[in-house]
Amino acid sequence: AQSVTQLDSQVPVFEEAPVELRCNYSSSVSVYLFWYVQYPNQGLQLLLKYLSGSTLVKGINGFEAEFNKSQTSFHLRKPSVHISDTAEYFCAVSDPSNDYKLSFGAGTTVTVRA
Amino acid sequence: DAGITQSPRHKVTETGTPVTLRCHQTENHRYMYWYRQDPGHGLRLIHYSYGVKDTDKGEVSDGYSVSRSKTEDFLLTLESATSSQTSVYFCAINQGGGQPQHFGDGTRLSIL
Repeated sequence: AQSVTQLDSQVPVFEEAPVELRCNYSSSVSVYLFWYVQYPNQGLQLLLKYLSGSTLVKGINGFEAEFNKSQTSFHLRKPSVHISDTAEYFCAVSDPSNDYKLSFGAGTTVTVRA
Repeated sequence: DAGITQSPRHKVTETGTPVTLRCHQTENHRYMYWYRQDPGHGLRLIHYSYGVKDTDKGEVSDGYSVSRSKTEDFLLTLESATSSQTSVYFCAINQGGGQPQHFGDGTRLSIL
């Protein structure tokens, strides 16, 4: 199974500042990549996905992520955050050689302060 | 939102009792999944189903069983609940083939 590492467990950031959440995975074989967001007491909502094609992926709410195959990374960015972006963010990897099962990182909690 | 309903949303029970959680979908998706979410671990796959009566184990399947008698329903059973199974449980669905999974709102289960 893939191992997914989210390098920061907590990221405090001021409103209107940029944020980057880092995600690395273990294998260089072809995989599908996802970022999910979880607001308090809710389920996970898909932010964006990389299945193939352009390595820069745009998602909802102004987020984007860049796939780097050589570094096995899929970092998430937003140029200017809002208070409403306070949430937990999960990186996930789907491995076609393992029946497309998802492996999740441990999550990064983003706290946006005014 | 994807049509996924989990029930109950909250449950408190005692060690040793059986517990069944239900996931119901209205999307007619082939794949259904059960995960547990614990601090510091993200989500971990318990069991999944790739069709009616077709199920397989995930990475943390010990102590859990599942059943899928209809496309729309996927049941997770704890035969004899233990305190280590206190967690938040999420159901997810997708079409398979690497497509994104869509999640329910979760069931918060406390075992005393």
